[in-house]
Amino acid sequence: AQTVTQSQPEMSVQEAETVTLSCTYDTSESDYYLFWYKQPPSRQMILVIRQEAYKQQNATENRFSVNFQKAAKSFSLKISDSQLGDAAMYFCAYFTGANSKLTFGKGITLSVRP
Amino acid sequence: DAGITQSPRHKVTETGTPVTLRCHQTENHRYMYWYRQDPGHGLRLIHYSYGVKDTDKGEVSDGYSVSRSKTEDFLLTLESATSSQTSVYFCAIRPGRGPDTQYFGPGTRLTVL
Repeated sequence: AQTVTQSQPEMSVQEAETVTLSCTYDTSESDYYLFWYKQPPSRQMILVIRQEAYKQQNATENRFSVNFQKAAKSFSLKISDSQLGDAAMYFCAYFTGANSKLTFGKGITLSVRP
Repeated sequence: DAGITQSPRHKVTETGTPVTLRCHQTENHRYMYWYRQDPGHGLRLIHYSYGVKDTDKGEVSDGYSVSRSKTEDFLLTLESATSSQTSVYFCAIRPGRGPDTQYFGPGTRLTVL
């Protein structure tokens, strides 16, 4: 069974600085997708970024980028120029079409200091 | 906005009563999912559907049933609610073609007293 591990329950970053959130996963599949979702206090689950396992290039969305290390099964999220609005819980998630299921990590709470 | 609504958004009920949560989509997507979110557990899959009348169990399906009689609606039923089912419930949709991304509804907070 696939598992997703987010080992840090909480992190804090100074406004305008850079922070990296860690995620590891375990799978025997070769074709899959990885996601980072953001959940602000409003509770809405918001897609931040998506990575296809077959792509070697790391995904980037504005201030958000990932470091995808397929051999190490690592998928970290880097937030540059952190803003107060980035404060939220962040979830790493894994998807494979083999079972059509999305598996989530337990999440990490990110706080941003002004 | 992925065109997903959930109703009700909040509900308080008593142990032993039946509860039905509704997920409605306007995008005509094939796949629909129900998750529950609890502190320290992230989101866990309850049931999902891959078409009208086609459903399958997730990792925490005990005590829950689902139905999908129309493409746009996916119902989650707690036949006899228990306090352990107090949670936030999220519905999600996935197109089933193109990018394999799930989009989430706003969530329903259910409290079972």
